[in-house]
This record gives sequence, C-alpha cells and structure tokens, in this order.
Amino acid sequence: EVQLVESGGGLVQPGGSLRLSCTASGFIFSNYWMTWVRQAPGKGLEWVANIREDGGLNYYVDSVKGRFTISRDNAKRSLYLQMNGLRVEDTAVYFCARDPSYYDDDSGYYYDAFDIWGQGTLVTVSS
Amino acid sequence: AIQMTQSPSSLSASVGDRVTITCRASQGIRTDLGWYQQKPGRAPKLLIYGASTLQTGVPSRFSGSGSGTSFTLTISSLQPEDFATYYCLQDYNYPRTFGQGTKVEIK
Repeated sequence: EVQLVESGGGLVQPGGSLRLSCTASGFIFSNYWMTWVRQAPGKGLEWVANIREDGGLNYYVDSVKGRFTISRDNAKRSLYLQMNGLRVEDTAVYFCARDPSYYDDDSGYYYDAFDIWGQGTLVTVSS
Repeated sequence: AIQMTQSPSSLSASVGDRVTITCRASQGIRTDLGWYQQKPGRAPKLLIYGASTLQTGVPSRFSGSGSGTSFTLTISSLQPEDFATYYCLQDYNYPRTFGQGTKVEIK
C-alpha cells in the first residue's frame, strides 16, 4: 500500500525545537519531490516547504525561513522537518505529501500534484 | 507571494446541484493550479492539477478550467460525499500559496 506516516509532533514551549518525520512505503521514495503543508486549528492550508528528489534543492515559505530545515534520507525512505525557534503561530497539524511533479507534453510545464498525503501530526507551541 | 482568493468562502447546496467555485490569482499563473478537497479531520485529497487535468480515480463530475488569473472548479451534480472544503493551490512560483478555502455545506 502506498502510504506516508508522520511522527514527531507534540507540545513544545516557544523558542523550542522539534523534528518531524515522514516515512514512506509502497513506492520508490527517491523518485519524488516531497512537501510539508500545515494547517492551524480551524484554519486553511499553508504550504511550508518542499525538497527535490535528491535533496539538493529546497524551498520555504518566508515565515519559516531560517528556522525550519527540510531534509530527506532516501535510504531510509524518510522526509524530515527540523523546526527551531518555534512560535505560537507555528501551532498546526503538519502533513507531508508526495509530489509526482507531472510533466505536461502540450504545455511543456511541470505541475505540482500532491497525490499522497500522510495523516498529519499535531505540533502545539505553548507555554 | 502570489495571493489566491477563492469565492465564495462558503455555500449551501443540495444533492444534485451544480456547484462552481472560483479562484483568482493576484498575478498570471498560466495553468499552474491545483484543486484539493478536505473533509474534517482528514488530509486533503488531490482533485485536479494543471488547472484542468483530473487526478486518476476522481469522479468525472469534477472539472476544472481557467488560465492566467481566473480559475473555476465545477461539480456537475453534487453528491453527499462532496460536502467538504475545497482549496486551490498555485504552483507557478515559490512560495506555493493556497486559497483560503470554500466550504460546501448541505442546504
């Protein structure tokens, strides 16, 4: 079964750190871009970061730049999000998602398509 | 960052209704847009990518259209399992940005 399972969430004080993990099964992990998306309680979705198949390229939303680091270990089929300097506003459910980055022959464009998602892990930042 | 604005924010509809949700981008994004469905307590589900390509396994009552700055998601005949919140997402540039969501409720 194609699956992503997140772990590592929990309660942390402001300024603290947490490392989220996302373990893949049922597909060749190293063939896909991977993404983190978060959702604050009762709010909408927010794209956080992504990383290329080989781990050599990544992007972040401005609000986490310099505090969060996305990484991957293809041998362990795992994606990570190291979160430092946590703030109350980082409180959210964090989802990892697979991105096949589909290529369209007609347009010549690559499209994101987050086709497989984990169940999410809750991060609560509070004193 | 590109701002994505969905309308309406919520709507009430009946089973069998035709439903249209609009997503507007603050600048042109070609056809670099996806649509996602989310039910309470669940992860989002991909419906459409590239503005109009239906993801494998998604019912054909869902369709997407548009390019540039204006996009629509249409559900041709609303089914009970379609009551959910829908989000658009631009993947034209970084950071990727979602619309604020449209909640589809039972009338």
